[in-house]
Amino acid sequence: DGGITQSPKYLFRKEGQNVTLSCEQNLNHDAMYWYRQDPGQGLRLIYYSQIVNDFQKGDIAEGYSVSREKKESFPLTVTSAQKNPTAFYLCASSIGIDIANTEAFFGQGTRLTVV
Amino acid sequence: SQQGEEDPQALSIQEGENATMNCSYKTSINNLQWYRQNSGRGLVHLILIRSNEREKHSGRLRVTLDTSKKSSSLLITASRAADTASYFCATDARSGGYQKVTFGTGTKLQVIP
Repeated sequence: DGGITQSPKYLFRKEGQNVTLSCEQNLNHDAMYWYRQDPGQGLRLIYYSQIVNDFQKGDIAEGYSVSREKKESFPLTVTSAQKNPTAFYLCASSIGIDIANTEAFFGQGTRLTVV
Repeated sequence: SQQGEEDPQALSIQEGENATMNCSYKTSINNLQWYRQNSGRGLVHLILIRSNEREKHSGRLRVTLDTSKKSSSLLITASRAADTASYFCATDARSGGYQKVTFGTGTKLQVIP
């Protein structure tokens, strides 16, 4: 089955710790995205990547880092510099290069809680 | 900042009624999409409408696009309890030579059986 997989589904972190959220896709998509969603709110873009070894900051990149060493993988690290990391994190991918076809496919999300 | 904003923020209707949600955006687009999100889950793509299209249908969904007003609407006809979810519009945008998709704040729809 083709799709996009996020893991883990739930993640608990102590204050001061870095934590990495996994996102893997086997759709052969070039573009991948990380969004943050807070309760009752829309999605805010953290980072995005159009091609391997290249990524761009989104609207709320502070306190986060990413890598894109492989086409199918786009892990997100929530660092201790992120002041309010408790949120629902969504990863997505899309064909990307053709700007007329940007249907995004989403993973099921990771709920991060700082304890 | 958000490119799209949905209206209303929340909508509650009886099963069988139609539900209409609106989306306004700020800058020129190539296409606009609507997504659905069940509580605590990822988003699911519903429909894509291109900037040169004015209306598109998919099953019980009807989407319109008015580029002169920078707005779109999503109509769900004959709603069902299973339609209860949040609905988001999304637009493509170029930023520094790169393409990205940005989402609105969503409309939370409740369909009462």
